[in-house]
Amino acid sequence: GENVEQHPSTLSVQEGDSAVIKCTYSDSASNYFPWYKQELGKRPQLIIDIRSNVGEKKDQRIAVTLNKTAKHFSLHITETQPEDSAVYFCAASGGYNKLIFGAGTRLAVHP
Amino acid sequence: DARVTQTPRHKVTEMGQEVTMRCQPILGHNTVFWYRQTMMQGLELLAYFRNRAPLDDSGMPKDRFSAEMPDATLATLKIQPSEPRDSAVYFCASGLVRGGVTEAFFGQGTRLTVV
Repeated sequence: GENVEQHPSTLSVQEGDSAVIKCTYSDSASNYFPWYKQELGKRPQLIIDIRSNVGEKKDQRIAVTLNKTAKHFSLHITETQPEDSAVYFCAASGGYNKLIFGAGTRLAVHP
Repeated sequence: DARVTQTPRHKVTEMGQEVTMRCQPILGHNTVFWYRQTMMQGLELLAYFRNRAPLDDSGMPKDRFSAEMPDATLATLKIQPSEPRDSAVYFCASGLVRGGVTEAFFGQGTRLTVV
């Protein structure tokens, strides 16, 4: 079945450093790749997404890249701030727009 | 500010009891997902609907779980009988298919504790 793998499971950085989270997917029909941020005790919130016809997308300090040939995509956060600390989930949407999530990455940004 | 509304927010019940969780999707959205999350782990897809029809419920234990959409404004997830291992946060997400993709927006979740 469809599967999304996400690495690393935990990531600790110093404020101002960059953070990179990587995901791979198995369903070659996947065409939409959103990223969600979940703060403790709250709902996952969509922060950025990328579609299969685009290789890169940027929104201020956040960027996503997609390599369809290798079936992997990544989230890049630059100039990290303490408020970036959260759990980040990648997801892939394929046939019938079924949305499958990775296991999550717990990001800690230390002042 | 359109939001997905889930009720109840918290539920504590005894093992063996029936539990019903409700979700009101964002008005106009045609897709509803149900996910389960344990101890800040991954989001496990239980079932999802398009235009009120179930598309996939393969992630759901069929013997005790059931999901329905009685109308476009209400989705329900029922557990009968509940077991302690069902304790988790259950999220509903709704979305609208546009340009071949579905952006999904999450409700606040129902935190279920089965004792």
